Amino acid sequence: KAGVTQTPRYLIKTRGQQVTLSCSPISGHRSVSWYQQTPGQGLQFLFEYFSETQRNKGNFPGRFSGRQFSNSRSEMNVSTLELGDSALYLCASSWQTGGYEQYFGPGTRLTVT
Amino acid sequence: DQQVKQNSPSLSVQEGRISILNCDYTNSMFDYFLWYKKYPAEGPTFLISISSIKDKNEDGRFTVFLNKSAKHLSLHIVPSQPGDSAVYFCAARNEFYQLIWGAGTKLIIKP
Repeated sequence: KAGVTQTPRYLIKTRGQQVTLSCSPISGHRSVSWYQQTPGQGLQFLFEYFSETQRNKGNFPGRFSGRQFSNSRSEMNVSTLELGDSALYLCASSWQTGGYEQYFGPGTRLTVT
Repeated sequence: DQQVKQNSPSLSVQEGRISILNCDYTNSMFDYFLWYKKYPAEGPTFLISISSIKDKNEDGRFTVFLNKSAKHLSLHIVPSQPGDSAVYFCAARNEFYQLIWGAGTKLIIKP
């Protein structure tokens, strides 16, 4: 069974631009969660989608948004990028919602200059 | 308060000995706790979990202990192996079903 895939793996953007990250969950998983990880910090929860509906949202500004498609693939968008958005963005999938065991992709390393 | 703290940024243990990783939390509403392991350039991998109604859970070489009165969680790895060298994260689920993560502890297993 293929794991969680994320594209692209690395991205360099300029302040003020916007970016879209993609995540394909494990086949059969309907929950996709997104996390931000910055150096020395734990993972910060962004949001969770389940069956195309946002089920949960963390404490991030509205510049961070997401969506999920009928095939469970998910995208995350960040508009008006700031230098502080430079981070590793991780996507995790699960067969159920509610913060149980999740399977993570390798992440997208975003650098904002 | 939603904090989950892993106070040791790194830990070095001799191969074959016990590794003990610790995690403290502040929110008494946390009801489910998980440990993940992360290798460089990979996403975290689930290791073991425990519900707040239990105080111990074992899976092979890994045992998680939960002390609710002390708001303390620990992961024991026995015996430690070279492949256990990684960053370990603890996470706790809050009343909103969100996972709150610690900053991680880097475990180094010495041969």
